[in-house]
This record gives sequence, structure tokens and C-alpha cells, in this order.
Amino acid sequence: QSALTQPASVSGSPGQSITMSCTGTSSDVGTYNFVSWYQQHPGKAPKLMIYDVTKRPSGISNRFSGSKSGNTASLTISGLQAEDEADYFCCSYAGSGFWVFGGGTKLTVL
Amino acid sequence: QVQLQESGPGLVKPSETLSLTCTVSGGSISGYYWTWIRQPPGKGLEWIGYIPYTGSANYSPSLKSRVTISVDTSKNQFSLKLSSVTAADTAVYYCVGGYNFDYWGQGTLVTVSS
Repeated sequence: QSALTQPASVSGSPGQSITMSCTGTSSDVGTYNFVSWYQQHPGKAPKLMIYDVTKRPSGISNRFSGSKSGNTASLTISGLQAEDEADYFCCSYAGSGFWVFGGGTKLTVL
Repeated sequence: QVQLQESGPGLVKPSETLSLTCTVSGGSISGYYWTWIRQPPGKGLEWIGYIPYTGSANYSPSLKSRVTISVDTSKNQFSLKLSSVTAADTAVYYCVGGYNFDYWGQGTLVTVSS
């Protein structure tokens, strides 16, 4: 299993919307609707933001949304806020009980 | 709310075995999947493996020959052993619970160095 591909960085201004991508293969993202997204602030543990491609855990703002098309999943953050600045990691089920993460995207709020 | 806490040595010598334990509180370990994930300094997340409370673990192919994950339901704990470590195994190790990696420990830095 190879790591999922994420852009190294994205940026946006407060109030704007941004979308970051997570590209896998037909063996993981393209086949399974088990894509999740995690937010990680410096020195902190990751936090689940989206699971099963589009679902938000209780307590997660509806400014965060997920989608998938083919082998690429996406995370959209609307109404960008300063506290959204963090690293974001995607993860996908890859079959046979295996999971694979992306390399992470650093979001900068300008 | 389920909480997890890693414990174990922060320094391991090359070629030795890294051993970590995760204590689960606020919920029973008899449910969910229990996972270990690591993050080398300044790098991304790497899935190491998971075990359901029933005890049949699954491991990353790249680490499978060196990893053992076990669960102790009587203590509400699960554990990680990684053998023959090298400097490349230096990382923050997280214990994680839930079907979607819902619950994370704070992480513990393990440095491999003589």
C-alpha cells in the first residue's frame, strides 16, 4: 500500500472557502467509502473531522465537508477561520484490513 | 468519553524491542478496534496496525515482521511491541480507538538511540 497523495500546502483568507485533495488509487479511495480526515495542530494529537467520506462526528462544525470522485477525495472548509490553521491528513481503507494515510497538507490562514 | 493514555520508555536502544501500553478509560475495550499509529518528527502519519477486542490483529505490510499488537481485556489495555528497532523507528506513537480512529491518546515520543 502506497501513501495517499496530498498537496503540501494550501492557503486562504478568513471567510473564504478552501478545498484540499487526497488522491489514492482504485485499490483504496476509488473502491471504498471509508475515507476520513484529521486535523492536527502543532504538538497535539490528530482529531477526526470527517469519516466515511462525508460524515461529521458530533461536535464538528458544518463548515467542514467531505466528498469523493473516483480516486480522489476532498475536504472543503468554508468560512475559513484562524483556528482552522493546522495540518490535515486523509486516510483510506485499502482492503484486507489495511489502512493508508496521506502525507498531510498544511493549511495556512492568511 | 473514551480516553486513551500511552505509557512506556521514551528511549530505546537500536536492535532492541520497543514496548508501549495504552490504557483505555471511560469505556470498555470490549468493543471498537484499537490501533497504533506513529508520526516521525516533522512527518506524516503511519498506520502500524490494529486489533479488535476479540484479539486477531492486522499489521502494516511494511512492519508486519517486527510488530505485535495484543489486548488485555482484564486491564482495559492494549499493547505494541516493535522489535529490532532502528533510528527510523523514532516517532511519536499514538494509541487510537474507534472504527474511524475517533479517539486518540496524547502520543508518546520514542527515540531510538544508543
